[in-house]
Amino acid sequence: AQSVTQPDIHITVSEGASLELRCNYSYGATPYLFWYVQSPGQGLQLLLKYFSGDTLVQGIKGFEAEFKRSQSSFNLRKPSVHWSDAAEYFCAVGATGTASKLTFGTGTRLQVTL
Amino acid sequence: GAVVSQHPSRVICKSGTSVKIECRSLDFQATTMFWYRQFPKQSLMLMATSNEGSKATYEQGVEKDKFLINHASLTLSTLTVTSAHPEDSSFYICSALPGQGSTDTQYFGPGTRLTVL
Repeated sequence: AQSVTQPDIHITVSEGASLELRCNYSYGATPYLFWYVQSPGQGLQLLLKYFSGDTLVQGIKGFEAEFKRSQSSFNLRKPSVHWSDAAEYFCAVGATGTASKLTFGTGTRLQVTL
Repeated sequence: GAVVSQHPSRVICKSGTSVKIECRSLDFQATTMFWYRQFPKQSLMLMATSNEGSKATYEQGVEKDKFLINHASLTLSTLTVTSAHPEDSSFYICSALPGQGSTDTQYFGPGTRLTVL
């Protein structure tokens, strides 16, 4: 069975600073990987996804993530954080090579200081 | 595009009553919808997969008689928490899959906060 680990429960960064949120997965084959963002009172919004091909994936709102098979990681990055990026971020892996039946990590709460 | 709504957004009920939560795909048809449960400071846990016109598939440990799921149309799935108890208090989130391809992306609703007194 697949699993996802987000080792950082809570991260605080200053506005304008760079950001990296960590995600490690456990899966036997090539995974389908996702990053979602959840703001209070809103549903999860897809930031980006990786299915195959280029291991550096560009997403919305200036986010990117890099799939590293050797490290079983799919870390999310942003070069310059905005105050509006404060939210909960979830990494997820799709089961058995499909985008359905997602397994989510426990999430990382991002706080942005001005 | 690809908007999913949930109603109600927040509900408080007495122990022993039943609560129905609706999940609608507003601008697309969804043959498959999913129901998740999220506890405070924890991840989303998949409860069941709902396919239009057929019985839902429940994850291990989820009581199908307690959490009744109906997917009567391509744009609507409902979750009914029957005889709710305080331990059922949680944040329930649905998602919808616009297609049947293996690379289709789920779109999530805003969630429903259930509080059982």
